[in-house]
Amino acid sequence: GQNIDQPTEMTATEGAIVQINCTYQTSGFNGLFWYQQHAGEAPTFLSYNVLDGLEEKGRFSSFLSRSKGYSYLLLKELQMKDSASYLCAVLNTGGFKTIFGAGTRLFVKA
Amino acid sequence: DTGVSQDPRHKITKRGQNVTFRCDPISEHNRLYWYRQTLGQGPEFLTYFQNEAQLEKSRLLSDRFSAERPKGSFSTLEIQRTEQGDSAMYLCASASGQATGELFFGEGSRLTVL
Repeated sequence: GQNIDQPTEMTATEGAIVQINCTYQTSGFNGLFWYQQHAGEAPTFLSYNVLDGLEEKGRFSSFLSRSKGYSYLLLKELQMKDSASYLCAVLNTGGFKTIFGAGTRLFVKA
Repeated sequence: DTGVSQDPRHKITKRGQNVTFRCDPISEHNRLYWYRQTLGQGPEFLTYFQNEAQLEKSRLLSDRFSAERPKGSFSTLEIQRTEQGDSAMYLCASASGQATGELFFGEGSRLTVL
């Protein structure tokens, strides 16, 4: 079976740091993606991890632990425009299929 | 604009009618996906094409749903005898041949079934 869990909602303050966690159980694994989706818009790619460890890209970082089935997305120096849904997604082996979690809605307040 | 385009952006139909959505992927991408998304949920996988071959279709997809990609370029998603539960955003995404390539999504086609 396949299961991807992430918190439904989070609230953080402008300028702060927030960590969005994701745990997964999938029948195959070929990497983990994070996508950002603003209300009414299409998802856009943020990061990809296939090996354990931290990948940093500007204000955003993503971490993966394959043995624990765990990832997190770290957002630093939060801005109001970061208010969006953040989707954790797992790429299955073989079929090139990406399975998405339900997403975490992040609200950034002043 | 060379991104993924979808048409129509919005469709309102009566229950029982057939609807068809079109997706034009990024031209050099050979992989094409259809997803369905409802409010507060992540995209749900529907089907996947590599070039013109439909390689996977969700078991959740009823026989009322069919997708084609006849020449390995654009794709269509048809829903026959629509039901109110079909109301959702239908997202198309394309990706390059790399197995780990990110998905590039279109703006989606929003379907409302009355």
